[in-house]
Amino acid sequence: KAGVTQTPRYLIKTRGQQVTLSCSPISGHRSVSWYQQTPGQGLQFLFEYFSETQRNKGNFPGRFSGRQFSNSRSEMNVSTLELGDSALYLCASSLVRSWTGELFFGEGSRLTVL
Amino acid sequence: DQQVKQNSPSLSVQEGRISILNCDYTNSMFDYFLWYKKYPAEGPTFLISISSIKDKNEDGRFTVFLNKSAKHLSLHIVPSQPGDSAVYFCAAQGGSEKLVFGKGTKLTVNP
Repeated sequence: KAGVTQTPRYLIKTRGQQVTLSCSPISGHRSVSWYQQTPGQGLQFLFEYFSETQRNKGNFPGRFSGRQFSNSRSEMNVSTLELGDSALYLCASSLVRSWTGELFFGEGSRLTVL
Repeated sequence: DQQVKQNSPSLSVQEGRISILNCDYTNSMFDYFLWYKKYPAEGPTFLISISSIKDKNEDGRFTVFLNKSAKHLSLHIVPSQPGDSAVYFCAAQGGSEKLVFGKGTKLTVNP
């Protein structure tokens, strides 16, 4: 059974640009959550999507957005990149809503903003 | 407001000894707690969990203890092995709220 797949794994952008990250959940999983990991801040929740609808959102500015498609694949977008957006962005999937237990994480997309 | 706190950024133990990783939480609504392990360049992987109706859950070398009155949980690894060296995240959830993670503790097990 394939795990959670995130693309791209690494990318470098400059300030002011935008970026789109992709996540393919485990087959059959309907919930996708996104987290930002930075040194010293741990895993900070960005948002959760379930059945193509955003169900929960963390405390991030509107520059961070996402969506989920009918096949449960999800994308997140960050516009007008800032240096502080440099981080590892992790996607996690679960069979049902994320609060019911275990999340399965992808390997992450490491974004560097110059 | 940090609802899940891992106050030790790092921990170093000798192979074969016990590793104890601690986690405190502030939200009384949390009723399910999880530990995740993360190696460099990999995503976190689920390790062990505990429901608030229990005070202990054991899985092989890993045991999680929950003290609800103190809002404290701990992960015990016995015996510790060099392959256990990783960052360990404590996480908590309650009701329909999102999973909240601590900042992590980097465990180093020395041979």
